[in-house]
Amino acid sequence: GENVEQHPSTLSVQEGDSAVIKCTYSDSASNYFPWYKQELGKGPQLIIDIRSNVGEKKDQRIAVTLNKTAKHFSLHITETQPEDSAVYFCAASGPRDGGTSYGKLTFGQGTILTVHP
Amino acid sequence: ETGVTQSPTHLIKTRGQQVTLRCSSQSGHNTVSWYQQALGQGPQFIFQYYREEENGRGNFPPRFSGLQFPNYSSELNVNALELDDSALYLCASSYQGAGELFFGEGSRLTVL
Repeated sequence: GENVEQHPSTLSVQEGDSAVIKCTYSDSASNYFPWYKQELGKGPQLIIDIRSNVGEKKDQRIAVTLNKTAKHFSLHITETQPEDSAVYFCAASGPRDGGTSYGKLTFGQGTILTVHP
Repeated sequence: ETGVTQSPTHLIKTRGQQVTLRCSSQSGHNTVSWYQQALGQGPQFIFQYYREEENGRGNFPPRFSGLQFPNYSSELNVNALELDDSALYLCASSYQGAGELFFGEGSRLTVL
């Protein structure tokens, strides 16, 4: 099955700096790669996702890049703010059965991001 | 638009007991997935329900079972609880083929 590795496990930055979190996956059939933000006591919230036919996607201060050849993808947060502090998870899934497999995500172990004012 | 809601938010059980967790999917969503999140870990896929049938299962034993109802809401049942079942149980809904999963706040289960 799919295996997703995420690094680093903790990341501390100063407000205004950039933050980068990297993930690798094992299954070359995976084609959907979402990123989730989880705040304390809450469920994961989708912040951005990318599909395998795209190499990069941006949404304001957040961007994701995908290298299918190397089987890795990264989250980039620019101009970090204290409210960006949370646990971030990458995930992967693939089209194994009729389009409903997107619900079967394999998650990384998470990155605790701390943004210091 | 109503988001994914889960109940109860917290519960405490003893080893060997049974538990039922409930989830109402987001309006317009017909697929429900359940995840187990141990402390400090990423969520792990338990199973998914689509059209009231189990549609894929992760590496969880048969004592983890579920249901989906005609209104797309869902239940997760765990029998013969073990200490290691202590975790946050997350429900997520989606629309077939849409890709995006929307998670609820979770049910925190503690097994003593």
